[in-house]
Amino acid sequence: NAGVTQTPKFQVLKTGQSMTLQCAQDMNHNSMYWYRQDPGMGLRLIYYSASEGTTDKGEVPNGYNVSRLNKREFSLRLESAAPSQTSVYFCASSEIWDRAGNEQFFGPGTRLTVL
Amino acid sequence: ELKVEQNPLFLSMQEGKNYTIYCNYSTTSDRLYWYRQDPGKSLESLFVLLSNGAVKQEGRLMASLDTKARLSTLHITAAVHDLSATYFCAVDPRTGNQFYFGTGTSLTVIP
Repeated sequence: NAGVTQTPKFQVLKTGQSMTLQCAQDMNHNSMYWYRQDPGMGLRLIYYSASEGTTDKGEVPNGYNVSRLNKREFSLRLESAAPSQTSVYFCASSEIWDRAGNEQFFGPGTRLTVL
Repeated sequence: ELKVEQNPLFLSMQEGKNYTIYCNYSTTSDRLYWYRQDPGKSLESLFVLLSNGAVKQEGRLMASLDTKARLSTLHITAAVHDLSATYFCAVDPRTGNQFYFGTGTSLTVIP
């Protein structure tokens, strides 16, 4: 099992350009998440998808859109990149069990720089 | 909004010493998770704590949860260099699917 995979690993954009970050998981999880990680701020949730066909805003959704393409794939789109979106982006997935909680499994990350 | 505070933010300790990282949170929750992150890498799950009084141990690390005090601790016993990493706690308030992460504790173990 590959777990959670993300592409690309690195990306440099100019202000105003658009791009899509791709995420896929092979653990048959229902829930998927997009986070951004900035120095000194931990991880902040951008969007999540509790199940196929649903998406919800997290803590910092402005400037982003998401698509839950199917159960395996969850993409994050920056329509008009801004320097404030320079960050490391992590995708995660989980299966929520009453007894086992909501342990999330993370992908390797995408390091994005917006000039 | 749920707030999760970790302290210390930075910790430099000698090999062989013991220390504790604290994770305080601001709302009722009985689900807390600890993750480890190596520089430039992803997050690796360490512990899943799902009830008051839960204690989990793996090697030199032990995590506990006190839901009444809204506090989790990650105790390091006889630190070794391989434990150098950033440690995050994350709280699941069970309202929706959201986790709330602490800002992390950067641990450096000095030989």
